[in-house]
Amino acid sequence: EAGVAQSPRYKIIEKRQSVAFWCNPISGHATLYWYQQILGQGPKLLIQFQNNGVVDDSQLPKDRFSAERLKGVDSTLKIQPAKLEDSAVYLCASSLTDMISSTDTQYFGPGTRLTVL
Amino acid sequence: SQQGEEDPQALSIQEGENATMNCSYKTSINNLQWYRQNSGRGLVHLILIRSNEREKHSGRLRVTLDTSKKSSSLLITASRAADTASYFCATDPLGYSTLTFGKGTMLLVSP
Repeated sequence: EAGVAQSPRYKIIEKRQSVAFWCNPISGHATLYWYQQILGQGPKLLIQFQNNGVVDDSQLPKDRFSAERLKGVDSTLKIQPAKLEDSAVYLCASSLTDMISSTDTQYFGPGTRLTVL
Repeated sequence: SQQGEEDPQALSIQEGENATMNCSYKTSINNLQWYRQNSGRGLVHLILIRSNEREKHSGRLRVTLDTSKKSSSLLITASRAADTASYFCATDPLGYSTLTFGKGTMLLVSP
């Protein structure tokens, strides 16, 4: 079974530039998550989709971050404009059910390492 | 802010020894999960323990949960070099459906 795919794996940009990340979850998984992981810390949830609707985006800095999940499958996360403190690994994860239940196992992609200069 | 906090921050042991990591959290939870992260395989789910459970086993892993102390421990027995990774606890606070991760424990297992 194919895992969660993310691209690109690495991205280097200058501050104030824009960047977009792409995620393809495991086939059939209803719930998709975007996390931000700053070096030395654990992942922090940015946004959670259930099918193509947003369940939780309370920690998403909406003045610069946006995310969408088209047709309840692939998702993109965008940062515009980027700041130095956005340097982090951006992780995408998916889980099977469309029930709001944290007992679902989350399957993580390899992440995109973003460096903002 | 992060709900869980792992202790120690870093742990170095020899192959064959046991490794114990602890997690403390602040609010009541539905369940607690442990994840492992290394450069080769990314972040991987290890085990989930529900709030009404006290102990759970999976292979060489043993997890305990003490809800009165708001703490959990992860024991890895007979460690191997391949266990070298960062280990995170993740909690599901009551009333929320999303996971909150701690800062992790870095485990180094030397051959």
